[in-house]
Amino acid sequence: EIVLTQSPDFQSVTPKEKVTITCRASQSIGTSLHWYQQKPDQSPKLLIKYASQSFSGVPSRFSGSGSGTEFTLTINSLEAEDVATYYCHQTIDLPWTFGQGTKVEIK
Amino acid sequence: EVQLVESGGGLVQPGGSLRVSCAASGFTVSSTYMNWVRQAPGKGLEWVSVMYTGGSTDYADSVKGRFTISRDDSQNTVYLQMNSLRPEDTAIYYCARDRPCGYWGQGTLVTVSS
Repeated sequence: EIVLTQSPDFQSVTPKEKVTITCRASQSIGTSLHWYQQKPDQSPKLLIKYASQSFSGVPSRFSGSGSGTEFTLTINSLEAEDVATYYCHQTIDLPWTFGQGTKVEIK
Repeated sequence: EVQLVESGGGLVQPGGSLRVSCAASGFTVSSTYMNWVRQAPGKGLEWVSVMYTGGSTDYADSVKGRFTISRDDSQNTVYLQMNSLRPEDTAIYYCARDRPCGYWGQGTLVTVSS
């Protein structure tokens, strides 16, 4: 099973600050890495697919990069509505797995 | 507009069975991958099962042999039959479309407790 490890687990940031979340895979997964946002009491929403492709309707302040075993989700200029838990997810090998999540709060 | 609506959750005793449903609209479930993903209270996301367009299926090891995913094309609905339920199966069960999961339902809560 491919293990995805996110860092940090928690991040407290001021509005308009840049946020960077890292996801490391236990083995190479190419670019089959996706990012989701889950706001409190809501279903997850896809933000980025295949490492760097923005999903339909996602604000341009969200971007992704990386390949192989290290990936990054960047939120440029954090807004209050971005308070959420963010998950990475791999679909190259079964079982498809998720990272443990990174909770982002406003300082 | 793509919509996924789960139903059928509830309280069940350990060892019991439950079937949850995912009614789809705005697309046909047979035309894409359909997944079940669960989230235990206060925990992260766990992929559970997928049904591929051809009808074949895959499962997480934690549910293999106990859970069965199926679909009814006439009802445009996907199901998850859950047998031999354990307390650790307590979670919100989401259905989600595609790989990766671009569309999600609102989820249905399954509680396994005596």
